Amino acid sequence: DTAVSQTPKYLVTQMGNDKSIKCEQNLGHDTMYWYKQDSKKFLKIMFSYNNKELIINETVPNRFSPKSPDKAHLNLHINSLELGDSAVYFCASSQDPMDGYTFGSGTRLTVV
Amino acid sequence: QKEVEQNSGPLSVPEGAIASLNCTYSDRGSQSFFWYRQYSGKSPELIMSIYSNGDKEDGRFTAQLNKASQYVSLLIRDSQPSDSATYLCAVIPSGSARQLTFGSGTQLTVLP
Repeated sequence: DTAVSQTPKYLVTQMGNDKSIKCEQNLGHDTMYWYKQDSKKFLKIMFSYNNKELIINETVPNRFSPKSPDKAHLNLHINSLELGDSAVYFCASSQDPMDGYTFGSGTRLTVV
Repeated sequence: QKEVEQNSGPLSVPEGAIASLNCTYSDRGSQSFFWYRQYSGKSPELIMSIYSNGDKEDGRFTAQLNKASQYVSLLIRDSQPSDSATYLCAVIPSGSARQLTFGSGTQLTVLP
């Protein structure tokens, strides 16, 4: 059973479109995260949710919005996609961050 | 200034040699330190965590932490071609709501 699952795995879309990426974890973790990994492999935190409350919101464009219907899900919605949004987006979860995170398999977003 | 810095490499070592990966961090109050391994096209996976000064060994892997020098390293003994991957250093800085901050990774190639 996959611990942290993301869908879709690949997403190709045109500039200006709106898209969503879904994430689900079956680990019972309290906190979920979204990271963006650019072409140089740099992983940068975008959002985290703890028990359905946003606790971190880095300086990402407000075109990006996280949505968490329950503790096991954290979806990422992106409006008005731009070329610079092309990257791999990783969902992750943790029970105690001091123990590290468990990452999903990633979603490769390509904006054309 | 980047919070976590790593040499991007690539670093090449022959099979059976010791691979040494280094990382420095800027926040002296950082609490926890992690090494993740990321194979090409895959998600990061946790391989080591260290919290106290000194060495921590797990199989062929040894993590070393020196808080005074703000330096953490990973040694891989008896390197194998299957160790070829990007190694990501991550820390939890102080006041970060226990958010993992990553370095840009070091690409390691183990030559048969």
